[in-house]
Amino acid sequence: GAVVSQHPSRVICKSGTSVKIECRSLDFQATTMFWYRQFPKQSLMLMATSNEGSKATYEQGVEKDKFLINHASLTLSTLTVTSAHPEDSSFYICSAMDPPEQFFGPGTRLTVL
Amino acid sequence: GDSVTQMEGPVTLSEEAFLTINCTYTATGYPSLFWYVQYPGEGLQLLLKATKADDKGSNKGFEATYRKETTSFHLEKGSVQVSDSAVYFCALRGVQGAQKLVFGQGTRLTINP
Repeated sequence: GAVVSQHPSRVICKSGTSVKIECRSLDFQATTMFWYRQFPKQSLMLMATSNEGSKATYEQGVEKDKFLINHASLTLSTLTVTSAHPEDSSFYICSAMDPPEQFFGPGTRLTVL
Repeated sequence: GDSVTQMEGPVTLSEEAFLTINCTYTATGYPSLFWYVQYPGEGLQLLLKATKADDKGSNKGFEATYRKETTSFHLEKGSVQVSDSAVYFCALRGVQGAQKLVFGQGTRLTINP
């Protein structure tokens, strides 16, 4: 199947700083990518849908000014957590559409101190 | 809105035991149903899927049948192996909302030799 990578796999940052997470589709082009958040022992919650060349569509309750998404090319989407706080600590997972399938990255664990 | 409910884990079985992980859903119309598996340190992988009522998805010895009358998509395997230890997610893709997936909370499965 298609491969999706995420970088970094793990990041620790201080409260108030910003962190960028990259999601890449390695062997296919994806006009649509998704960003999920997974809390311990809980399900994946969709944060936003990232569309190449246009603004992301955010789910209800997700702050678009805090979680900046950029999908500048057909193989790369980035999620920037701005002014991160400890409550933003979580596991962030991206996926990319290669219709009809959705392929997932390995996730990024963010810890905000 | 659409939702998925899975049996709570963790589930611990001995090798060669029979496995059932229950999944029920709430959705409008006829959603597509999926089981994903997440091995330690890896991203989610599609295990099997069914797109219409009475369809049976199968892969690697796992099976699940789309039951419209009971709104269920239970995952089964006749004889589990240690290598099946992972977290299993049931998910649906609704008729509306295009490609978005709605996940259950995940069930952690541990198989002991």
